[in-house]
Amino acid sequence: DSGVTQTPKHLITATGQRVTLRCSPRSGDLSVYWYQQSLDQGLQFLIQYYNGEERAKGNILERFSAQQFPDLHSELNLSSLELGDSALYFCASSVEMRAGPVSGELFFGEGSRLTVL
Amino acid sequence: ILNVEQSPQSLHVQEGDSTNFTCSFPSSNFYALHWYRWETAKSPEALFVMTLNGDEKKKGRISATLNTKEGYSYLYIKGSQPEDSATYLCAFIDTGNQFYFGTGTSLTVIP
Repeated sequence: DSGVTQTPKHLITATGQRVTLRCSPRSGDLSVYWYQQSLDQGLQFLIQYYNGEERAKGNILERFSAQQFPDLHSELNLSSLELGDSALYFCASSVEMRAGPVSGELFFGEGSRLTVL
Repeated sequence: ILNVEQSPQSLHVQEGDSTNFTCSFPSSNFYALHWYRWETAKSPEALFVMTLNGDEKKKGRISATLNTKEGYSYLYIKGSQPEDSATYLCAFIDTGNQFYFGTGTSLTVIP
C-alpha cells in the first residue's frame, strides 16, 4: 500500500460526458502528479501540482483540467469524453522539501480505469 | 516531445540468470533518473532515484548505474527469481521538472 488513494477504481461512461477522478496523496506529500496510461502506451505525464499550485504541465488536453485543494487532495476533470480517453489514470505523490525540480520518488495510487463507450 | 528509450522491450530469462536493461535519455537538462518496478495489476513502485553522474545504487540483487554525460542508465538483476517478473520503467526528470517515462522493459523469469 503506497498510501495514495484514488477513486473511483473503475468508471464506465459514454462519449460526451464529464467525469472527475479523485486522488488523496500520502500524508505529508505536497506534490501530486497525474499520469495517463492508454492501451499499449507508456505512462504519459499530464500535470503536477505542488501545495495547491500548478507546477508542471505535460501532454494534457484542453478538455482535461485538474486542481489541488487546500487539504492537498487533487481532482482530474475530464470533459467531452471521447473513445480515445479510455485509459488507466494514475495519481502519484511525492515529498518536496524545497521549491524547484523534484528528485524524490513517486508513490503511485492503484489507478482509476476509465472506459468510454 | 522528449524520448526516453528502454531496451529491450521484453525479456524472458531462466531462473538464476542475471540480466540487464538499458534506459537512454537526453544528456542535456538532466535533473534526475528514476527506476520503477511495475507488477501486473499493481502500481509502479520506486526502485532507485539517481541524480549524480556515476551514481551506483543497489537494493538486494538489483543494482543500477547512471551516466548522465552519455545519457544512459543500466539496471542489473543478479540471479533472477520468478518474483522479479515485472515491467521495469525508467523516468527522466529534466531541470524544468518534467517527468518523461520510458515504455518499460517487460521481464519474465521462467522457473
